[in-house]
Amino acid sequence: DAKTTQPPSMDCAEGRAANLPCNHSTISGNEYVYWYRQIHSQGPQYIIHGLKNNETNEMASLIITEDRKSSTLILPHATLRDTAVYYCIVRVAGAGGTSYGKLTFGQGTILTVHP
Amino acid sequence: NAGVTQTPKFQVLKTGQSMTLQCAQDMNHNSMYWYRQDPGMGLRLIYYSASEGTTDKGEVPNGYNVSRLNKREFSLRLESAAPSQTSVYFCASSVRTGLHEQYFGPGTRLTVT
Repeated sequence: DAKTTQPPSMDCAEGRAANLPCNHSTISGNEYVYWYRQIHSQGPQYIIHGLKNNETNEMASLIITEDRKSSTLILPHATLRDTAVYYCIVRVAGAGGTSYGKLTFGQGTILTVHP
Repeated sequence: NAGVTQTPKFQVLKTGQSMTLQCAQDMNHNSMYWYRQDPGMGLRLIYYSASEGTTDKGEVPNGYNVSRLNKREFSLRLESAAPSQTSVYFCASSVRTGLHEQYFGPGTRLTVT
């Protein structure tokens, strides 16, 4: 699986957009980009995923660069409840021995939303 | 829907004791997983069950056993607890393996003294 690099921490003002970057320069053509977050003391929560097109759901938007070497998770109107560790994960399915769709969590970005 | 539930929420064991962590999901998912989370290590997969009746080792299976009791329930057993197994344990489930998103339970905080 491709390695991801995220900034260790970011701050955002409440009500503003939070843009969380992720670098995955060694990503392969069959690898997807996933984002999860973990609010303190809770289990990780799925946010969004994509392959090469930009994606949007009720929680966030995912912007993937054309060369797929990096992506940005956008929380359009951050609230205090969005304070969490955000994980960018690259996943591949079905490649021998990893048919369970390995989900590898790195260190993530600690996002702190301020009032 | 309750989603993924785990019991107990907290547990303290002495070295050598055994216990079973319980996990259940009500989303009719086929696949279930057990992870552990340690400071600075991220989450690591212990065991998974792609479907009812099957289980497979993950990255760190030593010292653990699992049982897929039925489609809803997937338990994790520590036969002889060691201090190195002090961790937060998360259960997760997904529609199937592969690229389907995984839904996590609230976790069990285990301390082995």
